[in-house]
Amino acid sequence: SQQGEEDPQALSIQEGENATMNCSYKTSINNLQWYRQNSGRGLVHLILIRSNEREKHSGRLRVTLDTSKKSSSLLITASRAADTASYFCATDGLDNNDMRFGAGTRLTVKP
Amino acid sequence: DGGITQSPKYLFRKEGQNVTLSCEQNLNHDAMYWYRQDPGQGLRLIYYSQIVNDFQKGDIAEGYSVSREKKESFPLTVTSAQKNPTAFYLCASRPTGDSPLHFGNGTRLTVT
Repeated sequence: SQQGEEDPQALSIQEGENATMNCSYKTSINNLQWYRQNSGRGLVHLILIRSNEREKHSGRLRVTLDTSKKSSSLLITASRAADTASYFCATDGLDNNDMRFGAGTRLTVKP
Repeated sequence: DGGITQSPKYLFRKEGQNVTLSCEQNLNHDAMYWYRQDPGQGLRLIYYSQIVNDFQKGDIAEGYSVSREKKESFPLTVTSAQKNPTAFYLCASRPTGDSPLHFGNGTRLTVT
């Protein structure tokens, strides 16, 4: 079964706007990771946030984690057309052996 | 350059035939993973391996088999028992737990 659920399933914005994607998960985790996938390609790692962290930044990306609500959000600021892709959250369980992904958010940034 | 190589990129098979998808990495990673992705869907875990000669079933292992005889190789066999094998298959690796996954570019399998 998939661990995470992303919300919304699809998001369409104009270039320059911010994009926020949410992820909820079911079980206790060691860390939560966000990945990006361009159509028909493999996934690329964006950012990892550990269970004892609440917020993390990387360039135009900001990730938050609320372990009490079992949820995370990914904010992309000042979006560009090149940010158009699918974004997935993935959770690393307590045994760090497996990683499970959500269904993803399809982001379209219009120029 | 280090990376993960999946081959072939596209694979076509007739129903009832077994087919093996290749995954090779030269990153010296211990852990390797196979995921299945259906159109517009997320990734579902098929099998994973933490060390050579050891592997565990994921959420959808039925109809699939794997081997891990070498650290750098983790081939996936899609058997005739898999009811709906047509999908995009992704292989990934990482050095240990608690680190990001590195993905190959996938193999798109079509079974008719």
